[in-house]
Amino acid sequence: GAGVSQTPSNKVTEKGKYVELRCDPISGHTALYWYRQSLGQGPEFLIYFQGTGAADDSGLPNDRFFAVRPEGSVSTLKIQRTERGDSAVYLCASSSVKSEQFFGPGTRLTVL
Amino acid sequence: AQSVTQLGSHVSVSEGALVLLRCNYSSSVPPYLFWYVQYPNQGLQLLLKYTSAATLVKGINGFEAEFKKSETSFHLTKPSAHMSDAAEYFCAVSENNDMRFGAGTRLTVKP
Repeated sequence: GAGVSQTPSNKVTEKGKYVELRCDPISGHTALYWYRQSLGQGPEFLIYFQGTGAADDSGLPNDRFFAVRPEGSVSTLKIQRTERGDSAVYLCASSSVKSEQFFGPGTRLTVL
Repeated sequence: AQSVTQLGSHVSVSEGALVLLRCNYSSSVPPYLFWYVQYPNQGLQLLLKYTSAATLVKGINGFEAEFKKSETSFHLTKPSAHMSDAAEYFCAVSENNDMRFGAGTRLTVKP
């Protein structure tokens, strides 16, 4: 597959539970981004990785949100003690140096 | 910090009519500007980008956008709308590596 993939495509969980969302970037892309898109809004920046390290995590809303990219490829966004307000589509994108960002199809998270 | 404002959350045009989607940006440095399209239940797809070369940028599917520094604008146009253009369109600005998106404009094309 040549594009960015995200799993699962849909995730339904209960308030207070822990969830993990996975992103597989385009092979060779060093930069990886996470965004959150709420209904009727544009994507909101969460965190940006350059290689294995988080270069900018200023968009993470609180300490319940955490993301890792241990080997500089696949990334996992982790949300603890989920709240109903966390319901959104979580988008992942990747890019190479100086290229535009290529987006995955997103994971739709619903917190009941 | 950079930001974008998209004027008009919904735009409706007739098939064959001009499409104009407005975007104004705020940036402290010369920005990179983008337009993305999002079809229902799909990811964002890049239409075009401005990276300080030509001010008139041509993209895919017949879309183009003009960077106007004096107006801090980057409006998206297409001379003749097609039914397949119905989608959500997002303007975005990037100063470093993070990208800030507008709220989006939903384009409806009437037969």
